[in-house]
Amino acid sequence: DAGITQSPRHKVTETGTPVTLRCHQTENHRYMYWYRQDPGHGLRLIHYSYGVKDTDKGEVSDGYSVSRSKTEDFLLTLESATSSQTSVYFCAISPSDTQYFGPGTRLTVL
Amino acid sequence: QKEVEQDPGPLSVPEGAIVSLNCTYSNSAFQYFMWYRQYSRKGPELLMYTYSSGNKEDGRFTAQVDKSSKYISLFIRDSQPSDSATYLCAMDFGNEKLTFGTGTRLTIIP
Repeated sequence: DAGITQSPRHKVTETGTPVTLRCHQTENHRYMYWYRQDPGHGLRLIHYSYGVKDTDKGEVSDGYSVSRSKTEDFLLTLESATSSQTSVYFCAISPSDTQYFGPGTRLTVL
Repeated sequence: QKEVEQDPGPLSVPEGAIVSLNCTYSNSAFQYFMWYRQYSRKGPELLMYTYSSGNKEDGRFTAQVDKSSKYISLFIRDSQPSDSATYLCAMDFGNEKLTFGTGTRLTIIP
């Protein structure tokens, strides 16, 4: 998985609780991304980062925030989880004009 | 209309057949074109990457881009059961952000 790890790999939580997902890379790449994948929608970009403390929104950013205090770590936070945020979340890095993905985190919000 | 359209399938073919997977797109500004393979419960894996119109071959896989028709294809020759997966097309304007198709689920029948 191109030097990318995600944690946790699985999580079940309740509506209204905060959740943080972590993406860690060993490749020292500048660009990092968070996607969610849902049936019928494919991969949709939530947020991305183009450097430490430099982040921007993707197409489905409502309800999510991110932080990047170190090159190797990109955190995705659901401030107050909702059932609509049940999904598989993928982190990606971009060494050039393409992207390489982590193994994913399967999140269930009850 | 979505920017990238991909038939979700499912597509089932016998082992050894040639498989053709396709995506169409609406924005002529896309510059880079990719195909990802995703096995069940795994992250997407980069399969092919191309920039210009024409064909690019890698083993049993050929990626074809027709910018005039806004159409890309992935051909798999001598298909194997291990090729059973979901195939995602993706495109980039050159701004480090990818737009994905929804994926085509492929099954190779032994």
